Amino acid sequence: QKEVEQNSGPLSVPEGAIASLNCTYSDRGSQSFFWYRQYSGKSPELIMSIYSNGDKEDGRFTAQLNKASQYVSLLIRDSQPSDSATYLCAPTGQLTFGSGTQLTVLP
Amino acid sequence: SAVISQKPSRDICQRGTSLTIQCQVDSQVTMMFWYRQQPGQSLTLIATANQGSEATYESGFVIDKFPISRPNLTFSTLTVSNMSPEDSSIYLCSVVGGVGQPQHFGDGTRLSIL
Repeated sequence: QKEVEQNSGPLSVPEGAIASLNCTYSDRGSQSFFWYRQYSGKSPELIMSIYSNGDKEDGRFTAQLNKASQYVSLLIRDSQPSDSATYLCAPTGQLTFGSGTQLTVLP
Repeated sequence: SAVISQKPSRDICQRGTSLTIQCQVDSQVTMMFWYRQQPGQSLTLIATANQGSEATYESGFVIDKFPISRPNLTFSTLTVSNMSPEDSSIYLCSVVGGVGQPQHFGDGTRLSIL
């Protein structure tokens, strides 16, 4: 079972700020990670995949993978109230999810 | 990514009855899964649906209560049997297209038991 620890939150940031969501993992064999977003009452949706060490940017979202330190993070720039949701990180092949990080962006 | 159609989207059922939830994908996928999620709680994996063979159930879930079928690479069903109010939840199917790929989730079935 792959172990992933996610900063549990809840996390509140003002509109326009940078939201930083972090996960640490224990399995050094984990090669790639996925970030999912789940709005209240909706199913999870994939928002970012990161397959190699370093940063991957997609619009306002940047995923960072640091294999040496065994952490993966998601940065949301210029946070909007519509970003308010629960964010889940998971390595490839992990079928169980923790409670994620609940993010609230305050107008 | 795969387009997933899950039916019904919601239902209200009587205690003791059974309901079958369908999950249809528009392309062949390697793996299909069934989850349950209580309001405000995290996802709980019920089972992996295996094509042409019995599903693989997680601890706490049994075939008699949650029979699952997967006749081909694009379709699966989950039946919630002999329902009780404790079965009221959101049930989600998810798929993985291939090795190393992420999960994609259906819209879920919101089930209420009276």
